[in-house]
Amino acid sequence: KAGVTQTPRYLIKTRGQQVTLSCSPISGHRSVSWYQQTPGQGLQFLFEYFSETQRNKGNFPGRFSGRQFSNSRSEMNVSTLELGDSALYLCASSLDGLAGFTDTQYFGPGTRLTVL
Amino acid sequence: QKEVEQNSGPLSVPEGAIASLNCTYSDRGSQSFFWYRQYSGKSPELIMFIYSNGDKEDGRFTAQLNKASQYVSLLIRDSQPSDSATYLCAVIGSGNTPLVFGKGTRLSVIA
Repeated sequence: KAGVTQTPRYLIKTRGQQVTLSCSPISGHRSVSWYQQTPGQGLQFLFEYFSETQRNKGNFPGRFSGRQFSNSRSEMNVSTLELGDSALYLCASSLDGLAGFTDTQYFGPGTRLTVL
Repeated sequence: QKEVEQNSGPLSVPEGAIASLNCTYSDRGSQSFFWYRQYSGKSPELIMFIYSNGDKEDGRFTAQLNKASQYVSLLIRDSQPSDSATYLCAVIGSGNTPLVFGKGTRLSVIA
């Protein structure tokens, strides 16, 4: 079974631009969660989508948004990029997501975003 | 604010020794506990999960959970240089809450 895929793998943007990242979950998984990872803050939860609905949201500004399509693929968007948005953005998929405490998340390879 | 705490390390152990990684969490109602391994420049990969008090073994890895003490640990037996990585503890708390990660412990196994 193919794993979680993310595109693009690397991105370089300048301040003020916007960016869209894509995530394709493992076949059959309906939940997609997004995380931001930086050396100082570690892995921080952005949001979770399940069946095209945002089910949970972390403490990030409204510049960070996402959506999920009927095939469970998900995108996240960051508008008006800031230098501090430079990070590794990871998506993780699972069968049922956060509704089931026995559910297990599997991570994609990540997108490394650099904001200049 | 639900928190997961880990010693950042580095934790250095000789090859063949037992590495012990520890994690504490603040939400007493937490239900599920996960250990992920992350190599430098790579994404986290799941090692194992544990839901019930006690020990759970999987090959060279043993997870230990003590809900009363709000403590979960990971033991790696016969440590190998290939085990050198950052180990992330993650917890699903009470209610429909997101997975909360600790900042990880960096393990270095010396040949």
